[in-house]
Amino acid sequence: NAGVTQTPKFQVLKTGQSMTLQCAQDMNHEYMSWYRQDPGMGLRLIHYSVGAGITDQGEVPNGYNVSRSTTEDFPLRLLSAAPSQTSVYFCASSAGYSGANVLTFGAGSRLTVL
Amino acid sequence: GDSVTQMEGPVTLSEEAFLTINCTYTATGYPSLFWYVQYPGEGLQLLLKATKADDKGSNKGFEATYRKETTSFHLEKGSVQVSDSAVYFCALSPNQAGTALIFGKGTTLSVSS
Repeated sequence: NAGVTQTPKFQVLKTGQSMTLQCAQDMNHEYMSWYRQDPGMGLRLIHYSVGAGITDQGEVPNGYNVSRSTTEDFPLRLLSAAPSQTSVYFCASSAGYSGANVLTFGAGSRLTVL
Repeated sequence: GDSVTQMEGPVTLSEEAFLTINCTYTATGYPSLFWYVQYPGEGLQLLLKATKADDKGSNKGFEATYRKETTSFHLEKGSVQVSDSAVYFCALSPNQAGTALIFGKGTTLSVSS
């Protein structure tokens, strides 16, 4: 049981380039989300999805796009990378999206934008 | 809005010392509370949780009690080990459909032998 798989683990981009961070889960979880982690800031929610075909914005959505065409996959797209998007990105999923549902996190993707 | 405040780190302890990491919250209604742990180079994983007032969550020797009267969920461990070195995040779920987990900023714990 792989859980939540993120690729790539490391990526270096130049300003203005685009890329997609991949996230896949094999637990049939309804809820999936993307966070970014920055020093001293904790985790901030970028986008989330409560099921296939449904996405919504979190706290810091600007500069990012998501889609959810299947239950398993929730890719995060950076449209035109900026140095401010240098961060560690985590994908997380849970069986439900309220109450005491526990999030399962991927191992993270470290992105550097030069 | 809802928020979580946890003590600033880093916390540096010797092996077998007592650990407390303070966490307080602001929320309307009756949230669920969590502690997540992040070991070096890894993603976060659930350490323990509590879903109602006076509940005590426990795991791997760590404990935290949901105190509604003081809006707190402090993490404690009686005797820390070097392997407990990690970043600890307190988090809150507002218990409303469609709302996301709210995290504190994290506290780094470093345990030396």
